[in-house]
Amino acid sequence: GQQVQQSPASLVLQEGENAELQCNFSSTATQLQWFYQSPGGSLVSLLSNPSGTKHTGRLTSTTVTKERRSSLHISSSQTTDSGTYLCAPDMGYKLTFGTGTSLLVDP
Amino acid sequence: DMKVTQMPRYLIKRMGENVLLECGQDMSHETMYWYRQDPGLGLQLIYISYDVDSNSEGDIPKGYRVSRKKREHFSLILDSAKTNQTSVYFCASSLYKNSGNTLYFGEGSRLIVV
Repeated sequence: GQQVQQSPASLVLQEGENAELQCNFSSTATQLQWFYQSPGGSLVSLLSNPSGTKHTGRLTSTTVTKERRSSLHISSSQTTDSGTYLCAPDMGYKLTFGTGTSLLVDP
Repeated sequence: DMKVTQMPRYLIKRMGENVLLECGQDMSHETMYWYRQDPGLGLQLIYISYDVDSNSEGDIPKGYRVSRKKREHFSLILDSAKTNQTSVYFCASSLYKNSGNTLYFGEGSRLIVV
């Protein structure tokens, strides 16, 4: 089955710094979706990216589908960005989630 | 209002008791999901429902069953709960089952089986 590796497992930043999160997966996917999970809370979809680069606000996702990898760049981090970022390769009928990168942004 | 609502949010049950977790959505989404989340394992798919009475096993269906009698409601049932079913359960919905559809998640239901 699909295996998903996210790195780093955790990250601590000072407010204003940028973050680069990585996602590698083992099998072909039609899309790569990124989610944000607030501490102890629910998941919110951030970006869905089949390939190439996609932007929304301070987030940039770059997916190279044939190399089975994706990255999420967070620019000018804010304390409210703290939480867990999960990637999920979309195989067309289900998502397989990684275990996430835990991000802490200090003021 | 684009919302997925889960009830109850917190539940403590004794081993062997039955558990009913309920999920509702107000978006008329066709597809609904149940996941569980455990530390170090990420989210694991238990069941998918493609519409009323059209359910499919996910990756870890053993020990669970589901019911979808109305498009907006999807229930997860644990018959005779076990301690290893202690987890946080998330319900999600998407408009269709196809690739790229946005998933909307509920707030989660934290179940402890003692």
